[in-house]
Amino acid sequence: QSALTQPASVSGSPGQSITISCTGTSRDVGSYNLVSWYQRHPGKAPKVMIYEDTKRPSGVSNRFSASKSANTASLTISGLQAEDEADYYCSSYGGNNNVIFGGGTKLTVL
Amino acid sequence: EVQLVESGGGLVQPGGSLRLSCAASGFTFSSHWMHWVRQSPGKGLVWVSQIKSDGSGTNYADSVKGRFSISRDNAKNTLYLQMNSLRAEDTAVYYCAREIYSDYNFDALDMWGQGTMVTVSS
Repeated sequence: QSALTQPASVSGSPGQSITISCTGTSRDVGSYNLVSWYQRHPGKAPKVMIYEDTKRPSGVSNRFSASKSANTASLTISGLQAEDEADYYCSSYGGNNNVIFGGGTKLTVL
Repeated sequence: EVQLVESGGGLVQPGGSLRLSCAASGFTFSSHWMHWVRQSPGKGLVWVSQIKSDGSGTNYADSVKGRFSISRDNAKNTLYLQMNSLRAEDTAVYYCAREIYSDYNFDALDMWGQGTMVTVSS
């Protein structure tokens, strides 16, 4: 199975909102409520920001939200802050006892 | 402290073998499915393998199927990845990760180790 499709980069100014898309297929993203989003700062371990499509783990800022429509999931970060600058990855259950990650999106806070 | 600590990475020649370990602490290891995920230099995260909480079932990415073997010792709170017939394209940082305890399988990975580097080169 191919990786989920994410934009290579997005950018925004402090205080603005940005959205990162994650496109899969009807066999993965579109079939299961198992999309997750991870934040990865350089040299750090990934941190889950969203799980089961739209749920936010305890301790994650409510500036992070997510949605899904058909085969595309989206992560929105509102009120951008400098500390949000990181790489973001989506993942989904692949439908065949496997997990598929997106290629990652580099978020730059201008 | 709740953590995962990988070890066992290093430089190995093509065709060689390596065994990675991941020591878990601070949580009930035997309650969680566990995964290995890797990241090659300059590339994104790629899922490698998964094992059920009691070790009764395993799954692998097609790229490593038949060459890698995941296992766990719940008495020692340790996860393993035996890697055989290594190729240059297996060069990556390997992370062990804990799957959240939920009603679903193949759910999010809520705890990650810092990773161990595996370099396959002659």
